[in-house]
Amino acid sequence: DTGVSQNPRHKITKRGQNVTFRCDPISEHNRLYWYRQTLGQGPEFLTYFQNEAQLEKSRLLSDRFSAERPKGSFSTLEIQRTEQGDSAMYLCASSSTDGYTFGSGTRLTVV
Amino acid sequence: QKEVEQNSGPLSVPEGAIASLNCTYSDRGSQSFFWYRQYSGKSPELIMSIYSNGDKEDGRFTAQLNKASQYVSLLIRDSQPSDSATYLCAADDRGSTLGRLYFGRGTQLTVWP
Repeated sequence: DTGVSQNPRHKITKRGQNVTFRCDPISEHNRLYWYRQTLGQGPEFLTYFQNEAQLEKSRLLSDRFSAERPKGSFSTLEIQRTEQGDSAMYLCASSSTDGYTFGSGTRLTVV
Repeated sequence: QKEVEQNSGPLSVPEGAIASLNCTYSDRGSQSFFWYRQYSGKSPELIMSIYSNGDKEDGRFTAQLNKASQYVSLLIRDSQPSDSATYLCAADDRGSTLGRLYFGRGTQLTVWP
């Protein structure tokens, strides 16, 4: 068990480009979460899955954002037509019965 | 809008002192509460969870919960410079088990030698 893995660690993209992030949760955890964190703020909820089912999606998640978890294993978060306001740390977590374990995050910079 | 509020800090304590971090939450339905530690540039790390009124101790850390007052606190005894980090308080959504969490903005703690 190597924890929650996120790739890439850093991504710099030009405004208007699409980006995709990947998260591999802890293998025995069936819930997977995506959060976004900007400087000086706590993590903000985006969406979460139980197995392959997307159970909840925040209103923060505009139509440009989509997340998938095919086969209930790894998950991807795609942002289309990126904007400068999308610059943030994107955190993935998976859960046991006692809180989340976060991955190292993907830091997105939109220039 | 459900909220978790934390004293903004920064909080600065000398090595060996007790650091006290506080948090209030707006959703009376919340049942699970968590404290995370986040070092600069790193992701949050779970340090304590608490579900029942009263105190829960784990090593140098004690979490306290008062549901009537909608108040959660974290005490760090014998503070060490390595405890210097931002501490995030989180509450669950309407008592949903393993659902979304609401996080506060965090309190930055500095422990000076």
